[in-house]
Amino acid sequence: QVQLQESGPGLVKPSETLSLTCTVSGASVSNVIHYWNWLRQSPGKGLEWIGNIFYIGTTKYNPSFRSRVTISVDTSKNQFSLRLSSVTGADTAVYYCARDDKLMYDYWGQGIRVTVSS
Amino acid sequence: EIVLTQSPATLSLSPGERATLSCRASQNIGSSLAWYQQKVGQAPRVLIYDAYNRATGIPARFSGSGSGTNFTLTISTLEPEDFAIYYCEGRRYWPPGTFGQGTKVDIK
Repeated sequence: QVQLQESGPGLVKPSETLSLTCTVSGASVSNVIHYWNWLRQSPGKGLEWIGNIFYIGTTKYNPSFRSRVTISVDTSKNQFSLRLSSVTGADTAVYYCARDDKLMYDYWGQGIRVTVSS
Repeated sequence: EIVLTQSPATLSLSPGERATLSCRASQNIGSSLAWYQQKVGQAPRVLIYDAYNRATGIPARFSGSGSGTNFTLTISTLEPEDFAIYYCEGRRYWPPGTFGQGTKVDIK
């Protein structure tokens, strides 16, 4: 079955870059149907879409993150990644990767809690 | 930007009762709405897409209705495992989708 798994550090210092990877199994990030997404959830802002990537590398980002966010895909490893720069305490959240077929997020990772603190 | 407003914030019911959750969009989103269930410590799980279509494996006691700006998720008979937080997501202008703030269904 399709599984997504987030990985990366759980603690990031303010002003540094948050880097997370989502490893996909049971599906290919190279398929032409699905988009691969990053979302986050915090008590203050609820569920928030960060951005997504299509297998050919086309990306779309939430304007709220402006130029701080980069999503990339590694088809050879069946992974996609998130980089969020210049983090502050407001970026403390549970980060999820999720698959999307334009109708719904049908598969999600379990989530990874990231705390921004010195 | 589309804003989704869910009501009530909390719904206190007993197992076996019927739950009716509302999601109102700030503008017409057609039928481009999904519903998700989230339990403590877990990722959201899709229940309904395109306003009324049940996702794969979702029990028939979950149903969605509505279009335009007013949507409803109904759980016909609450099971113990249904006590959770429910989110609606508007997708008319995807991406991004916009989530409501959630309705918590807890045990009375």
